[in-house]
Amino acid sequence: DQQVKQNSPSLSVQEGRISILNCDYTNSMFDYFLWYKKYPAEGPTFLISISSIKDKNEDGRFTVFLNKSAKHLSLHIVPSQPGDSAVYFCAAKKAAGNKLTFGGGTRVLVKP
Amino acid sequence: GAVVSQHPSWVICKSGTSVKIECRSLDFQATTMFWYRQFPKQSLMLMATSNEGSKATYEQGVEKDKFLINHASLTLSTLTVTSAHPEDSSFYICSAREIYTDTQYFGPGTRLTVL
Repeated sequence: DQQVKQNSPSLSVQEGRISILNCDYTNSMFDYFLWYKKYPAEGPTFLISISSIKDKNEDGRFTVFLNKSAKHLSLHIVPSQPGDSAVYFCAAKKAAGNKLTFGGGTRVLVKP
Repeated sequence: GAVVSQHPSWVICKSGTSVKIECRSLDFQATTMFWYRQFPKQSLMLMATSNEGSKATYEQGVEKDKFLINHASLTLSTLTVTSAHPEDSSFYICSAREIYTDTQYFGPGTRLTVL
């Protein structure tokens, strides 16, 4: 049972435009959400996170939106840059414990 | 800051041998470290949670006698794949939880190939 899903396996976007990555979850016990970026043969790099008490968190070009009622979050990258080309994973955590549950990832390709 | 290293970065071994992978938090202390496994084009799957000074907690379906975890200090956890077989070939990634921010920082991963 996949509790965190990223339904788009890949995304292609032109440089300078917005990249929107989506993530859905099923477990209402999740209360903290994170986005990681991963290059091939490397470990994930933390990008941005959001607590369930918020609906938006912004850090530079990255903004994460959370819709608790829909159990949906999204990551916006604007403007997209070629260096943003990577696989992006969303992850969720419950209040109790430190275990992260990852989505399947979305491969982003930013075309110059 | 918040750098996690893994050693080795890649290893090739013969079937039946054991392989040890080290995970170190270089500039912070981590009472909790995590070991993940990633198959090609798939997500990261948590194998076990490693707690400093106590036994690791394994996820369902992960053989604790095959994947030995030791977390002897606040900056080092090791994963030993015992009697490795070709199906153990995978990308193993560790993460360390920074105590004060509660953020997990990931190592660069170790590519294991069992012949």
